[in-house]
Amino acid sequence: AQTVTQSQPEMSVQEAETVTLSCTYDTSENNYYLFWYKQPPSRQMILVIRQEAYKQQNATENRFSVNFQKAAKSFSLKISDSQLGDTAMYFCAFMKPFTSGTYKYIFGTGTRLKVLA
Amino acid sequence: DTGVSQNPRHKITKRGQNVTFRCDPISEHNRLYWYRQTLGQGPEFLTYFQNEAQLEKSRLLSDRFSAERPKGSFSTLEIQRTEQGDSAMYLCASSVYRGLYQETQYFGPGTRLLVL
Repeated sequence: AQTVTQSQPEMSVQEAETVTLSCTYDTSENNYYLFWYKQPPSRQMILVIRQEAYKQQNATENRFSVNFQKAAKSFSLKISDSQLGDTAMYFCAFMKPFTSGTYKYIFGTGTRLKVLA
Repeated sequence: DTGVSQNPRHKITKRGQNVTFRCDPISEHNRLYWYRQTLGQGPEFLTYFQNEAQLEKSRLLSDRFSAERPKGSFSTLEIQRTEQGDSAMYLCASSVYRGLYQETQYFGPGTRLLVL
């Protein structure tokens, strides 16, 4: 069974600094997608970044980038120039296909990030 | 912006009562998902619809839970005879198929249920 592990329950970072959130996963599949979602307090989950497993190049979205290590099954999120608005719960997710042709996400337990002024 | 919407946003009920939640997906999305998120945990998959057909159900979805998507647009999730263990955030997500592995789910704000 696929599992997603986020080993850092809470982290804090000073505004304008860089922080890295860790995620490891376990799967026997070769093709899959990985995601980072952000869930601000009392607000809905927002997609931050996604990575295709067949692409060796790490995905980047503005201040957000990933370090995808397929062999190590590691998928960390780096946030550069942290802003107060980055304060949120961050979830790593693995997208698993069903035989019906759709997909479900398997989420980690989340990392609560607080950006300090 | 017509993102995924959910109603109500909050629901407090007494144990044993029935509750129903509604999800309105993004209009062109034919795939709809329900997840449950308990405190300190990530969302857990409950069920999936493609158009009006319910194609996948998690073992988490006991007999007290039923979901429908009658016209392939909005969906409802009903919990009968609620228990305190049902207290959680219920999230809805929608997506549209764009090719193999080309799918991103967009989440609604959730309905927070508290069973007293």
